[in-house]
Amino acid sequence: AQSVTQPDIHITVSEGASLELRCNYSYGATPYLFWYVQSPGQGLQLLLKYFSGDTLVQGIKGFEAEFKRSQSSFNLRKPSVHWSDAAEYFCAVGADTDKLIFGTGTRLQVFP
Amino acid sequence: DGGITQSPKYLFRKEGQNVTLSCEQNLNHDAMYWYRQDPGQGLRLIYYSQIVNDFQKGDIAEGYSVSREKKESFPLTVTSAQKNPTAFYLCASKRQGLNQPQHFGDGTRLSIL
Repeated sequence: AQSVTQPDIHITVSEGASLELRCNYSYGATPYLFWYVQSPGQGLQLLLKYFSGDTLVQGIKGFEAEFKRSQSSFNLRKPSVHWSDAAEYFCAVGADTDKLIFGTGTRLQVFP
Repeated sequence: DGGITQSPKYLFRKEGQNVTLSCEQNLNHDAMYWYRQDPGQGLRLIYYSQIVNDFQKGDIAEGYSVSREKKESFPLTVTSAQKNPTAFYLCASKRQGLNQPQHFGDGTRLSIL
């Protein structure tokens, strides 16, 4: 069965520091992978997606993610975090029934 | 601007009452989805519909019902059979195709009076 694991429930970084959020997936075929961001009381906004080609994908707001098939990972990175990046981040894998399987999310806190 | 509109933003339910959450999209998307979000549990799929007049149960459909009479609309009814309805409910839609992302509304927060 497909599944997504986000091992870190809560991460705290200082503004200007680099960021990496971890995502591991379980899926038999080539996965379709997505990262979303959610501000409190809001819906989810798509940051980036991967489905084929270059394994390093660029997204909005300066985020990027790298697909590593050998590690079943799709980690999200940002070189320098801004206070406005504080939010909850969700990794998701697209299942073959046109559904998304979401991880449980990582809450990012940014200190000035 | 195209998007997904969920209403109301806040909703209160009395014991034994059914309530309906609205979801409308003007993106011309074929598929629509309802999720429930609880703290620490991520998003759980309630129902989804890939075409008008057809829908499928998700992982936690008990106590909920839906209809899809129009492409643009996918209302969710939380029935009195749902004993723990307090949660944040999110509606999403997408184009056909596994590589197409889901687009989300801003959610409805449902609470028990």
